[in-house]
Amino acid sequence: EDQVTQSPEALRLQEGESSSLNCSYTVSGLRGLFWYRQDPGKGPEFLFTLYSAGEEKEKERLKATLTKKESFLHITAPKPEDSATYLCAVQAYDSGYALNFGKGTSLLVTP
Amino acid sequence: SQTIHQWPATLVQPVGSPLSLECTVEGTSNPNLYWYRQAAGRGLQLLFYSVGIGQISSEVPQNLSASRPQDRQFILSSKKLLLSDSGFYLCAWSPTGSGANVLTFGAGSRLTVL
Repeated sequence: EDQVTQSPEALRLQEGESSSLNCSYTVSGLRGLFWYRQDPGKGPEFLFTLYSAGEEKEKERLKATLTKKESFLHITAPKPEDSATYLCAVQAYDSGYALNFGKGTSLLVTP
Repeated sequence: SQTIHQWPATLVQPVGSPLSLECTVEGTSNPNLYWYRQAAGRGLQLLFYSVGIGQISSEVPQNLSASRPQDRQFILSSKKLLLSDSGFYLCAWSPTGSGANVLTFGAGSRLTVL
């Protein structure tokens, strides 16, 4: 059974204080690993898809990396507007196209 | 461009009452459609997904059902709500294809069962 574990559950950063969020996964055959951002009371918003170990993708202050067992979302010099819950999900070859999500990391960036 | 609409945004229902949440997608054809539930302190749980009209797969045994009467319409229903049905319900769509397909989510429906 596919498993996705995110850590930490919550993270508080000062503005400009860089850090990383972790997503550990177990899947029989990885079709893709996804990162989403979710603001309170809203639907998740797509950030990145990673397909194979060693792949990296960047968007503004965010950078996602992938190994065979985990993915990291690096946040460089965060701003208060980066505060949100970040969700990691895996899509496996043997489970159709649905995504299996972790519980998320709640990020708060203070001025 | 593609858009996804989900309604109602907020719903407060008594235990034992029926439920109907609706989702429609515009700007694409034959999408894969999904219903997820997000309960407090838990991750997104896949409830149903559909790869075509009348084709529904259920992931979790529960008090809910789903239907897809038209290509771009997905409905989540219950005949009698339970307290445990409270949560944030999210509809999503993805294109058909063989690669890793991004799911695009609607704005969600907040259901409170009292």
